[in-house]
Amino acid sequence: ETGVTQSPTHLIKTRGQQVTLRCSSQSGHNTVSWYQQALGQGPQFIFQYYREEENGRGNFPPRFSGLQFPNYSSELNVNALELDDSALYLCASSLGGVTEQYFGPGTRLTVT
Amino acid sequence: ELKVEQNPLFLSMQEEKNYTIYCNYSTTSDRLYWYRQDPGKSLESLFVLLSNGAVKQEGRLMASLDTKARLSTLHITAAVHDLSATYFCAVDINFGNEKLTFGTGTRLTIIP
Repeated sequence: ETGVTQSPTHLIKTRGQQVTLRCSSQSGHNTVSWYQQALGQGPQFIFQYYREEENGRGNFPPRFSGLQFPNYSSELNVNALELDDSALYLCASSLGGVTEQYFGPGTRLTVT
Repeated sequence: ELKVEQNPLFLSMQEEKNYTIYCNYSTTSDRLYWYRQDPGKSLESLFVLLSNGAVKQEGRLMASLDTKARLSTLHITAAVHDLSATYFCAVDINFGNEKLTFGTGTRLTIIP
């Protein structure tokens, strides 16, 4: 059984650029949630995808968007990057409503 | 808006001592999670507490949930150095939908 994987591990972007982060869910899981964790803080819920549809969104602006694919992998896209977007981005997968969610290793984004 | 508060935020303990981390939340919930996070790493699930009065133990850690008081505790018994980490509680207010609101975290340092 393969766990949750994320890519890339680290990346550095410049303010104003766009970035795409990727998440492969654990085998058999149909739900992916994304979280942003700023340094020294707890993770904050960005949004969740269930069977390719957005299924809830936290308090994040529209420049944060996502996709889920038929194999239940997911992407997080952030446009017009700001310095405050620097954070660890975590995805978590679950079998919606049945299992708890399992977190991936995260992508560390630095915006300069 | 759901608020999840942990205290203390920072905790330095000597080995072999006992201590408790507290997690208070502001809205009714029947599902509460505890996670561990090592520096620069992702979240490791410790406990899932599903009902009032639930108590779970793993090694030197024990977690409990009082849904009426909206309070969960994580008790550490006879602390050892490898328990040094940041501990988060997280609340799921819509049963099973896995959109978690995290606490602020407690950074635990065990001093030899």
